[in-house]
Formats: sequence, C-alpha cells, structure tokens
Amino acid sequence: DQQVKQNSPSLSVQEGRISILNCDYTNSMFDYFLWYKKYPAEGPTFLISISSIKDKNEDGRFTVFLNKSAKHLSLHIVPSQPGDSAVYFCAPQRVGSQGNLIFGKGTKLSVKP
Amino acid sequence: DARVTQTPRDKVTEMGQEVTMRCQPILGHNTVFWYRQTMMQGLELLAYFRNRAPLDDSGMPKDRFSAEMPDATLATLKIQPSEPRDSAVYFCASGLVPWPGELFFGEGSRLTVL
Repeated sequence: DQQVKQNSPSLSVQEGRISILNCDYTNSMFDYFLWYKKYPAEGPTFLISISSIKDKNEDGRFTVFLNKSAKHLSLHIVPSQPGDSAVYFCAPQRVGSQGNLIFGKGTKLSVKP
Repeated sequence: DARVTQTPRDKVTEMGQEVTMRCQPILGHNTVFWYRQTMMQGLELLAYFRNRAPLDDSGMPKDRFSAEMPDATLATLKIQPSEPRDSAVYFCASGLVPWPGELFFGEGSRLTVL
C-alpha cells in the first residue's frame, strides 16, 4: 500500500530546460509536503516544502505546485543545471501529527550539459 | 552547524557477523528515524523513536535487527546475524515533532555483507 508514489524512476533533461518531477499521494489527511534532494554518497537534504493552504511555493529556481483535489504535487526546476542531477524524494506530513515520515521511491534526475 | 552523525560510513563484513551502526542525532530533536535505501524500495522506514522510546519498528526484520536509543545522544541499529540481502545504505535522521518540520539526515552507513 503505497501512500506516496513517484511514478518516474528517472528523468533526463537538457541544461537550461525545465525539469518537472511528479508525486502522487493517497491520504487526504496529508497537509504539508516536503521535497528532498539526494546526491550519491550523501544523506538526503531538504529542498522545498508547501502547505496545503497554498497551491504554489517558489524558491529561486525551484517551484512546487500542489493540486489537492488530484492529490498531486510537482516540483519544477527552471532552468535546470548539471548540479541539479540527483535523486528527488517527496514526503508528505500531517500537521500536528507525530507519526513517521513516508518517502516516495524517488526520481533520479540527470541534467545533461 | 548542527548535524546528524553516523558511524561507520562504510562497513564490509561477512555473512553471519554482527553489525552495529551508530547515530548521534541533533541536540534537542525529539524523534529519531532509521531508514534503509535500496534500489527497489527507495527510502524504507525501519524504526523510529520519540523521546528515546521506540514507537514503531514494524519495518525491521525482527529476528535479526534491533534498534535502541540508550541515551539522547546515541541511537543504534544492530544486525545479528547479517545476510547479503542486508547490503544497503542505512540512514539515521532526526527531527522535532509534531509536524510540520524538516527531517535532518546523516550521511549514511553503507553496509556490504559478503
């Protein structure tokens, strides 16, 4: 029973173009969503988050969009850079809960020069 | 610069041997997680603790894995006996609940069981 799905295991994009990474979730109780980025041989690091009271959050080249009715969020990277090549995980939370943090299986992004 | 510290970074061992991985969470965080990263399963939750008390270890093979938190500065994950299928990268992470909040990860312990 996968509560968080990242259906694209990998994505290849040309430098300068847009990267779009998708994440679907099943539990409508989730109301806060985080994206993590992971380089090889390193631990995941927090990238950007969004609350369910918003449908968009932007931080520099990174924008996360949330469609609550579709239980879908996406991470946009514009313009993509070779240094963005990493595995990206989405992780939903329930505000006020003390439960565990479930991650999607990740999408490996490769940005080619 | 607060960070989660994990040891060892790399461990190669033979099947049947005991393996212990250690984690120092960020001071003040009340929740510690152990995750395992495999190619097929992504970041798989093994166990987590709140205020040092184990809350859920349903993700661990009970017969060979054990997780403890003897004090607020140390969490351990032990595998005895280890098997080749345990080869993976094991991550410790700490955070402050209730959510929302960020989870901070260590750099991981890469385990290879021959």
